[in-house]
Amino acid sequence: AQSVTQLGSHVSVSEGALVLLRCNYSSSVPPYLFWYVQYPNQGLQLLLKYTSAATLVKGINGFEAEFKKSETSFHLTKPSAHMSDAAEYFCAVSTPYNQGGKLIFGQGTELSVKP
Amino acid sequence: KAGVTQTPRYLIKTRGQQVTLSCSPISGHRSVSWYQQTPGQGLQFLFEYFSETQRNKGNFPGRFSGRQFSNSRSEMNVSTLELGDSALYLCASSSQAGRTDTQYFGPGTRLTVL
Repeated sequence: AQSVTQLGSHVSVSEGALVLLRCNYSSSVPPYLFWYVQYPNQGLQLLLKYTSAATLVKGINGFEAEFKKSETSFHLTKPSAHMSDAAEYFCAVSTPYNQGGKLIFGQGTELSVKP
Repeated sequence: KAGVTQTPRYLIKTRGQQVTLSCSPISGHRSVSWYQQTPGQGLQFLFEYFSETQRNKGNFPGRFSGRQFSNSRSEMNVSTLELGDSALYLCASSSQAGRTDTQYFGPGTRLTVL
C-alpha cells in the first residue's frame, strides 16, 4: 500500500531564504511522486513529478525535488523564497495503473513567506 | 486548449438535500477523477470514470455517486447531504485511465452544507 507523510503542517521562511518542504513516502512498488501547490480558493497546480527517470526533478517557479529511494523521501526545495510562494503544498504518491491509478496525498504543508 | 472546468464554483445546500456537481475535462481527455478535500481528512480519492465506466472507487459511502457521459463530461452526486460533506470537490482529467502522471485538476466546487 502507498502512503505519504509530510513533515510539518506549517513552515515559515523569510523572503530570499531557502525553502525546504519534507515528504516521505511508503510504496510497495516503484512510485510516481508529485508535488502540487494550492493557492486560496483554487485547485491544484502541478509543480513537478517523478516518474522513474532522473532522480533530481525540476519544476515550475524554481522548485525542484530529489527522489531518494534509500531514504524514501521526495523533499521539495527552492533556493530563494518569494512572497508569491506563500500557499499550501501537497506531496502525493500514485498507485500503479493496474492498482487503480489514483493519487494519495499527504496532509499538506502551509508555507508562509515573511518580508 | 481550455483547462478543466467545474460548475458551479460555489454551492450552499442544507442537510438532507442532494447535490450534483459537474466537471468538463480537457478536450480529448477521456478520464475524469474526483477528489474530496476537507480540513480534517485532507484530499481523498472518490472515483474515476473512463469511457463512461467507473473503473475505480475510493472509500466513500454509497451516497456519493457519479457518472460520465459520451462527451466525457462527468457529474458527481451526493444524496442526503450531511454537514461533513462540506468540502472542496476537485476533478481531474487525463487522456488515459489511471494516468496520474498526465492529470490536470480543475478549480474545484466549494460545497457548504448548512
